[in-house]
Amino acid sequence: NAGVTQTPKFRVLKTGQSMTLLCAQDMNHEYMYWYRQDPGMGLRLIHYSVGEGTTAKGEVPDGYNVSRLKKQNFLLGLESAAPSQTSVYFCASSYSSWRGHNEQFFGPGTRLTVL
Amino acid sequence: GEDVEQSLFLSVREGDSSVINCTYTDSSSTYLYWYKQEPGAGLQLLTYIFSNMDMKQDQRLTVLLNKKDKHLSLRIADTQTGDSAIYFCAESIRDNNDMRFGAGTRLTVKP
Repeated sequence: NAGVTQTPKFRVLKTGQSMTLLCAQDMNHEYMYWYRQDPGMGLRLIHYSVGEGTTAKGEVPDGYNVSRLKKQNFLLGLESAAPSQTSVYFCASSYSSWRGHNEQFFGPGTRLTVL
Repeated sequence: GEDVEQSLFLSVREGDSSVINCTYTDSSSTYLYWYKQEPGAGLQLLTYIFSNMDMKQDQRLTVLLNKKDKHLSLRIADTQTGDSAIYFCAESIRDNNDMRFGAGTRLTVKP
């Protein structure tokens, strides 16, 4: 099992460019999440999905779009990158919702710099 | 919104105990977690505690929960250099379908 994988690992964009981050999991998890990690601020939820074909907004969704066309993949898109989106992006997946205990499995992260 | 707060840095000597503290503000939290992040890697679940428990022990790890003060701590006994990492406290909130992370405490273990 590869667990949760993310591509690319690093990327540098110019302001206004677009890109898509890909997250894949091979654990048959229903739930998938995208977080961003900024110094001194912990992880903040961008968007999440509770199943194939569904998406929902998290704490900081503005400037991002997501899609979950296949259960194992969760894509995060930046249509017009801004310097404020410079961050480390983590994808995670879990069996179910947060209402009970559930362990989120994290990918290794994507370090994005927007110039 | 509610915040999960932790100090940003902790430095200890190898063999000593480490205590990482966390405060949370939402009394409806159901589960509280400790995640570990090693350099260049994602977060990995270390341990968790259900909100109706006071203490949980797992080998070198001891989690203490004081619900009255909304205070969570992680104690690592006999800290090793391999324990150097960033430790995140997180809370899950059943009714809001939400999970909130602290900013992370960077633990440095000196030989």
